[in-house]
Amino acid sequence: DVKVTQSSRYLVKRTGEKVFLECVQDMDHENMFWYRQDPGLGLRLIYFSYDVKMKEKGDIPEGYSVSREKKERFSLILESASTNQTSMYLCASSLEAGWELYEQYFGPGTRLTVT
Amino acid sequence: GQSLEQPSEVTAVEGAIVQINCTYQTSGFYGLSWYQQHDGGAPTFLSYNALDGLEETGRFSSFLSRSDSYGYLLLQELQMKDSASYFCAVRGGYSSASKIIFGSGTRLSIRP
Repeated sequence: DVKVTQSSRYLVKRTGEKVFLECVQDMDHENMFWYRQDPGLGLRLIYFSYDVKMKEKGDIPEGYSVSREKKERFSLILESASTNQTSMYLCASSLEAGWELYEQYFGPGTRLTVT
Repeated sequence: GQSLEQPSEVTAVEGAIVQINCTYQTSGFYGLSWYQQHDGGAPTFLSYNALDGLEETGRFSSFLSRSDSYGYLLLQELQMKDSASYFCAVRGGYSSASKIIFGSGTRLSIRP
């Protein structure tokens, strides 16, 4: 079974702090994604990566950065946390895209509260 | 702009059939996926349609019409455990660098 793990289930940080969210997958997937999920807004893509050291901006990258130094690990960084970044953060991974299958496997999520 | 539209809430009766619709407007299109998410849980993959037509997986089926920019998820023989949120998602391109866009989700409530 594919397993995607996230470093914390719940996190409370103060405004202005630098925050690191870690995600690890154990199935050698090429693609990894970071989303945030807010009520009524669905899942919004922050950043994704299709290879080590490669990254692409999603729809809402402002205030975030990412790092992918190893294939299995994808980190989301909030350079200076703000209260509007309070949200559920979901990491996902998938195999190389093709016509036959495109399935993302999600981690359990990190509920971040910025006070 | 790019957008996906799906109803915010649907209510159905246990044992019945329910259809959740999704219409999309994207600059590129390479497939429509459906995900299920129970409260407090992570989204899990249900189905993927790259070509027009119906895909069936047990009690769940998914349909796509690319000419109408429309798809739906059909759930049959509804069970209480099917109460969850359902998201459609569009893949905007063929390459690995293609963005994924999710709808805002449909909350399905099932009554006994």
